[in-house]
Amino acid sequence: AQSVTQLGSHVSVSEGALVLLRCNYSSSVPPYLFWYVQYPNQGLQLLLKYTSAATLVKGINGFEAEFKKSETSFHLTKPSAHMSDAAEYFCAVKGSGNYQLIWGAGTKLIIKP
Amino acid sequence: GAGVSQSPSNKVTEKGKDVELRCDPISGHTALYWYRQSLGQGLEFLIYFQGNSAPDKSGLPSDRFSAERTGGSVSTLTIQRTQQEDSAVYLCASSYTGVSSYNEQFFGPGTRLTVL
Repeated sequence: AQSVTQLGSHVSVSEGALVLLRCNYSSSVPPYLFWYVQYPNQGLQLLLKYTSAATLVKGINGFEAEFKKSETSFHLTKPSAHMSDAAEYFCAVKGSGNYQLIWGAGTKLIIKP
Repeated sequence: GAGVSQSPSNKVTEKGKDVELRCDPISGHTALYWYRQSLGQGLEFLIYFQGNSAPDKSGLPSDRFSAERTGGSVSTLTIQRTQQEDSAVYLCASSYTGVSSYNEQFFGPGTRLTVL
């Protein structure tokens, strides 16, 4: 069965610093992986997705994620944090045999001025 | 094109009343999902519709919760005899599930339900 683990319910970084949000997955089949962002009082928005093409995936707002099969990881990074990046970030993996996504618990990103 | 829409955006109700929440998915999307997000929590899966198949109701927390999807499009989530613990944001999402689909889900803005 698939599962997703996001390490750290809260991550705090200074403005201009590197952002690293961790996601590890478990999947019995080649995974499709997703990062979504949820800004305060809004729905979720797709940030980027891995669909077995390039292992380094670039998304919106300067974010990228690298698929590492050996580490079963799909960590999200951004070289320089901006105040507008403050949000909650969710990692998800496609379930096998159906059309659902298996969701991580989310990581709230806090940006310090 | 239009995204997923939900109505109402906010709903305040009294304990014991019934409420209906509506979701309009993206046209052509065959799958529709309902989630609940309590304050400061992640996504809690409630129910999933795929085409004409029987819905996956495994996430509904009690028999007070039910959902319908009419004509393969609009969906209504009904909560009967609301309780204070039902207070949350209810999110709807839809996805295209054709051969080339990666199951990317598109979310609506949510309905914030407050039970007094």
